Amino acid sequence: EVQLVESGGGLVQPGGSLRLSCAASGFTFSSYWMHWVRQAPGKGLVWVSRINSDGSSTSYADSVKGRFTISRDNAKNTLYLQMNSLRAEDTAVYYCARRCSSTSCYDYWGQGTLVTVSS
Amino acid sequence: SYVLTQPPSVSVAPGQTARITCGGNNIGSKSVHWYQQKPGQAPVLVVYDDSDRPSGIPERFSGSNSGNTATLTISRVEAGDEADYYCQVWDSSSDHNYVFGTGTKVTVL
Repeated sequence: EVQLVESGGGLVQPGGSLRLSCAASGFTFSSYWMHWVRQAPGKGLVWVSRINSDGSSTSYADSVKGRFTISRDNAKNTLYLQMNSLRAEDTAVYYCARRCSSTSCYDYWGQGTLVTVSS
Repeated sequence: SYVLTQPPSVSVAPGQTARITCGGNNIGSKSVHWYQQKPGQAPVLVVYDDSDRPSGIPERFSGSNSGNTATLTISRVEAGDEADYYCQVWDSSSDHNYVFGTGTKVTVL
């Protein structure tokens, strides 16, 4: 059974940092591109970042470029999102999602982890 | 950047048909995916590549895509279909254009 379990969310002050993790199981993690998608309270889904299967290529939404870093450890079957210089507008539930193997959809999602940026 | 527009809400009686639109410039040339999200839960893929269904998704969920509008159709609506629905595409004009629609709240009357 495919499982994605996020952790690392919490309350952080503006300007602070946080690292999210997403532990994957039930599939060959190293074969899939992985993404982070976020959802502010009461709002819609917004793509944040993606990483290819071996970690050699990454991409970011303009709103987080230069502040967030996506990475992965295929030996540990874990995806990460390092978030620096956090702002109030980064407050959201952060989901990790597995990209479909042959098209641009997301076939599995984690349960999400809440990040709250507030003083 | 590419924009996908959905109606904020759709209301439908049980047993009837709900149609949710997703508008975008020449969206018919792109692959459209649809997700269902219930309160407090992660999204679930219900239709991919315009009209294909993942295993486990009822045949009541179907999709189409042409011109500037993609449509998710839910036939014989049930109370359990009440949720938010999002369309999504990848805009090939930019590497980071993974775009979600604005979302539609489906209410079962």
